[in-house]
Amino acid sequence: KAGVTQTPRYLIKTRGQQVTLSCSPISGHRSVSWYQQTPGQGLQFLFEYFSETQRNKGNFPGRFSGRQFSNSRSEMNVSTLELGDSALYLCASSFTGTREETQYFGPGTRLLVL
Amino acid sequence: GENVEQHPSTLSVQEGDSAVIKCTYSDSASNYFPWYKQELGKRPQLIIDIRSNVGEKKDQRIAVTLNKTAKHFSLHITETQPEDSAVYFCAVTTMNYGGSQGNLIFGKGTKLSVKP
Repeated sequence: KAGVTQTPRYLIKTRGQQVTLSCSPISGHRSVSWYQQTPGQGLQFLFEYFSETQRNKGNFPGRFSGRQFSNSRSEMNVSTLELGDSALYLCASSFTGTREETQYFGPGTRLLVL
Repeated sequence: GENVEQHPSTLSVQEGDSAVIKCTYSDSASNYFPWYKQELGKRPQLIIDIRSNVGEKKDQRIAVTLNKTAKHFSLHITETQPEDSAVYFCAVTTMNYGGSQGNLIFGKGTKLSVKP
């Protein structure tokens, strides 16, 4: 079974631009979560989607948004990019997103904001 | 909200020695505790997990122990090898609104170096 995939793998943007990242979960997984990883803050939860609905959201500004499609693929969008948004963005998938399910991570998209 | 503390932040051992990483958490309702290994430039990969109805779980050279009363859990790696060198993250799932779903709250990570 193919793992979680993310595109693109690398991105360079400038301040003020917006960016869209994509995540394809493992086949059969319907829950997709997004995390931001930085050296200073570590791994932080952004939001989780299940059946095209955002069920849970972390403590990030409204510039960070996402959506999920009927095939469970998910996208996240960051508008008005700031230097501090430079990070590795990871998505993870699980069957239904319940508390005791294992989450499997994608390879991440490394975003550099100049 | 849930807070996860992980110690030590760096750990250097000789090949063949054991390594122990400890995490404490604050939410007594947490019931799932995974450990992830992240090699440089790679994705976090689950290496072992434990659920709250179990006190210890072992998989070859890796074991995890859980003390729910004290709200801490530990990763034990025996007979370490150079390929064990990586950053290890502990995590806890929180009980969010609705109760059934959970997102992962991670510790800050431990950089393990195994010297040949």
